[in-house]
This record gives sequence, C-alpha cells and structure tokens, in this order.
Amino acid sequence: DAGVIQSPRHEVTEMGQEVTLRCKPISGHDYLFWYRQTMMRGLELLIYFNNNVPIDDSGMPEDRFSAKMPNASFSTLKIQPSEPRDSAVYFCASSTGGVRRTGELFFGEGSRLTVL
Amino acid sequence: KNEVEQSPQNLTAQEGEFITINCSYSVGISALHWLQQHPGGGIVSLFMLSSGKKKHGRLIATINIQEKHSSLHITASHPRDSAVYICAVEDYGGATNKLIFGTGTLLAVQP
Repeated sequence: DAGVIQSPRHEVTEMGQEVTLRCKPISGHDYLFWYRQTMMRGLELLIYFNNNVPIDDSGMPEDRFSAKMPNASFSTLKIQPSEPRDSAVYFCASSTGGVRRTGELFFGEGSRLTVL
Repeated sequence: KNEVEQSPQNLTAQEGEFITINCSYSVGISALHWLQQHPGGGIVSLFMLSSGKKKHGRLIATINIQEKHSSLHITASHPRDSAVYICAVEDYGGATNKLIFGTGTLLAVQP
C-alpha cells in the first residue's frame, strides 16, 4: 500500500488567501484524523472522521477552518482566509480504530504551510 | 501540569549506547502510543500498547498501568535513531478518539 498521501508537501501563501490541503488515507481505514503541529503547541487534533462522517471537530480553531470527506479515499482541510498564525505542519493520519480507540495511526508526510 | 510528561526533553548519546526515554501520564488510559519523527519528516508509529512489553528490532516499549508509566528503550543506538520520540495516550475517560500528546524527546546519537 502507498500509505497516507498528502498534498501539497509545501505551500507558501499570502495572508487572506484560501488554502486547501488534501489527504488520501490508506484503503480500508475507516478513521481519518487531521492534526496540526507547531513549535509552541506540539501536535493537536483538529478534526476526525469515521466512515466519512465528521465525529469531533472541537479542535478546529475557528470558522476559517473547514474539513470535508466526500468519500472513503479523499479528505480536504480548507483555511479561508488564511492568517500568519496558521503557519504550521498539517498531518493527516488514518487508522482502523474503534469506538474510543484510536488504533495504530499511519501518518502522511505532512503539509508545511507558511502564510506570509 | 501536562497530562503526559516525557523525560528527558533532550538526550545526546554515543553510538552503541543503550537509551531509555520515559513517559508518565495522569489519566486512565486505554492505550499508549510511541511515535518517531525525523527532522523535517513525517511521523511514524512505533508501538501501540496497553499492557506489558513489545519489541521490534532494537526498540522495546514497556508499560506499567498501575504506575502510569511507559518507557521506550533503544539498544545498540545508531545515528539513524536520531529523531524526536513522542508519547501519546488514549484517555479511557475521553468521549472521543483523541490522543493526548507529550512534548517529545529530542534524541541525537553521535557516531
């Protein structure tokens, strides 16, 4: 299997622009997680899906952030409008977890976002 | 106080040394994860355990549920082991599938 695939690997944009990050989970995994990593706060869960349904989005910073999973093989994380404080590495991960069990996580390589 | 604490925060070792990284947590857990992150790179899951001990190659992870403590050991360390090692726990009382992350241990193995 190719693993979790994220794109783009790097994105540099200007404040106010829309940013879309993409993720393809491992086939057969029914949980998909979006994490953000910064030096100050470490790894934070933004949102996760189970069977394409958003289960917990309490980690999404504000309304500028949105995430979708239209099918089992694709998810997007969108920031509109972007701000410099959104600069971070965004990781997508998938697993075959269960109720209240994350399961072994398989991470993508991450998308490094820089907002100028 | 963080719910998951790791020690040490930074560790420098000579090639071949035996290395131990510790993780203590304050919540009841259903599982504990050890993750590895190379500089500028992605994150790899090393272990997921809820009791006892697991071994994979030169890596060994142990957990003591009663003491709320886990250790990650690296035998015969090598420069390619240089990375950040992150401990994360699944909160048994948590309502959803959230991991609580430690701040990581930066390991540098010198040749």
